[in-house]
Amino acid sequence: EAAVTQSPRSKVAVTGGKVTLSCHQTNNHDYMYWYRQDTGHGLRLIHYSYVADSTEKGDIPDGYKASRPSQENFSLILELASLSQTAVYFCASKGQTNTGQLYFGEGSKLTVL
Amino acid sequence: GDSVTQTEGQVALSEEDFLTIHCNYSASGYPTLFWYVQYPGEGPQLLFRASRDKEKGSSRGFEATYDKGTTSFHLRKASVQESDSAVYYCALRRTDTGYQNFYFGKGTSLTVIP
Repeated sequence: EAAVTQSPRSKVAVTGGKVTLSCHQTNNHDYMYWYRQDTGHGLRLIHYSYVADSTEKGDIPDGYKASRPSQENFSLILELASLSQTAVYFCASKGQTNTGQLYFGEGSKLTVL
Repeated sequence: GDSVTQTEGQVALSEEDFLTIHCNYSASGYPTLFWYVQYPGEGPQLLFRASRDKEKGSSRGFEATYDKGTTSFHLRKASVQESDSAVYYCALRRTDTGYQNFYFGKGTSLTVIP
């Protein structure tokens, strides 16, 4: 069974503070993704990675950085958290096969005050 | 660029009602299309996929047919149950930014009243 785990599952941060969301997968997948979920916007891609030590910008990268130090780990970093970044964040992984299936973690709920 | 449009933001039905959630896409070629379901407190999970014209995907009583002519992949279920209450996302495997990326619709929240 594919497994993607996120931490923390919930976090309250102050405006201007630094936030790091972590994702760990045991699927041996090359591809990893960070999505943001907002009511009315669905899932939007922030950053993604094809291989360790390399990340790519998604559709809404402004205000976010990403880090992929190993195949298993992918972090999302908010250097200066803002109110508008309050959302639920999902990490996902995908293998090389043509099935195209994404395996999602359970989400990290971030509240910025 | 590629996009997905889900018409319904929220749907409320009674048990045994017929469900239709509309999904239209815009992309070049034949993108693989997906339906994902997200239950409360969980991440989205794949319901099923289809990758060519007229192909029908199905799972758990849900089904959708890939229609390139109308660029649609509408989700249907003949008789919904309370346990089907969830958020449903239509998605496509993008062709504009590389084949490893996905574009999700805005999601449809389904509430089934017992």
